[in-house]
Amino acid sequence: AQSVTQLGSHVSVSEGALVLLRCNYSSSVPPYLFWYVQYPNQGLQLLLKYTSAATLVKGINGFEAEFKKSETSFHLTKPSAHMSDAAEYFCAASRGSNYKLTFGKGTLLTVNP
Amino acid sequence: DAGITQSPRHKVTETGTPVTLRCHQTENHRYMYWYRQDPGHGLRLIHYSYGVKDTDKGEVSDGYSVSRSKTEDFLLTLESATSSQTSVYFCAISDPSKGTPWIDYGYTFGSGTRLTVV
Repeated sequence: AQSVTQLGSHVSVSEGALVLLRCNYSSSVPPYLFWYVQYPNQGLQLLLKYTSAATLVKGINGFEAEFKKSETSFHLTKPSAHMSDAAEYFCAASRGSNYKLTFGKGTLLTVNP
Repeated sequence: DAGITQSPRHKVTETGTPVTLRCHQTENHRYMYWYRQDPGHGLRLIHYSYGVKDTDKGEVSDGYSVSRSKTEDFLLTLESATSSQTSVYFCAISDPSKGTPWIDYGYTFGSGTRLTVV
């Protein structure tokens, strides 16, 4: 079964610092990969998705992610954190029958002034 | 998101009572999914549907049942609610025929239902 691992349930950065949120998937065949963001008491918003068209994917709000097949990773980055980036981030994968999404457990990003 | 609504948005119920959550879509999508979100667990798939009257279990289906009698509605029922089912429930829709490839279209999530079982 497909699984998604997010390393670090909580990441804290200073405003202006690099944001790096880690995601690894378990599959010998790369799945479709997604990053979602959830602000407090809100639903899920798609940040970006990997569809095999390009290994470096740019998303909204200045985020990007790089797909590395050799490392089975799809880490999310942003060069300079902003206070408004504070939220929970979920990595997800979809592969195979019925297009089900498998989510990681989430990483809570805190941005300190 | 436009095209998918969940009801109710909030509900408090007592242990042992039946509860039904509704997901309604106006997008005519084939696939519908129910997830639950819990701290430390992310989102986990409860049940999904791949067509009218076609449903299957997800990874946390115990204690839940679903029904889909028409394309637009996907109902999630807790037959006898327990405190462990206190959670936020999200519905999602998708349809492989809507994008080329499908992933260019992807998924649409509802706003969620916060259920508290006391």
